[in-house]
Amino acid sequence: DTGVSQDPRHKITKRGQNVTFRCDPISEHNRLYWYRQTLGQGPEFLTYFQNEAQLEKSRLLSNRFSAERPKGSFSTLEIQRTEQGDSAMYLCASSLGRNSGNTIYFGEGSWLTVV
Amino acid sequence: AQKVTQAQTEISVVEKEDVTLDCVYETRDTTYYLFWYKQPPSGELVFLIRRNSFDEQNEISGRYSWNFQKSTSSFNFTITASQVVDSAVYFCALSSGGYQKVTFGTGTKLQVIP
Repeated sequence: DTGVSQDPRHKITKRGQNVTFRCDPISEHNRLYWYRQTLGQGPEFLTYFQNEAQLEKSRLLSNRFSAERPKGSFSTLEIQRTEQGDSAMYLCASSLGRNSGNTIYFGEGSWLTVV
Repeated sequence: AQKVTQAQTEISVVEKEDVTLDCVYETRDTTYYLFWYKQPPSGELVFLIRRNSFDEQNEISGRYSWNFQKSTSSFNFTITASQVVDSAVYFCALSSGGYQKVTFGTGTKLQVIP
């Protein structure tokens, strides 16, 4: 049973550089989520996909952030012109949607440090 | 709008003590799901339980039990005979209004002291 996998697990980047994270959801899951978590806080919703359609984006997702799920399978989250405030753990999760009460299963997260 | 409040920021207990983690939620929807997740020091969020709004039966799984009370909008989590391995941050979460997104509380950090 393959869970949600994320890559890379850790990324250190200089301010102003672009970074991209990849997420591979559980294979039969049609919903895919991106969350962000900073130290001492709960996961904050960023965006979600139903298959390849991006259906909701949080106001937290500034213009520098873009997410894609081109074939309804894996997803990428790109952050352009990174800022120190972007330092956080970026969590990907997937679910079967309503059929499972929208239970979401998380990957191990991608830690981003912007220096 | 949906909101989850976990008023307890940190709790410390001595091993073998019982501990209850509180969760209060807000939603205008009559149909919703509630969740608990565990985040150990390794960082991965682990799903523990899901309850739907129509099922107020309490649930027990080993040393874990959950008390869901719609009258007080609470979904509390009790660990009986705590163990050091229970040390983690625990998050309560809510999904309502079409079950599109899951909203998390700020978490309760539990430290079990040997």
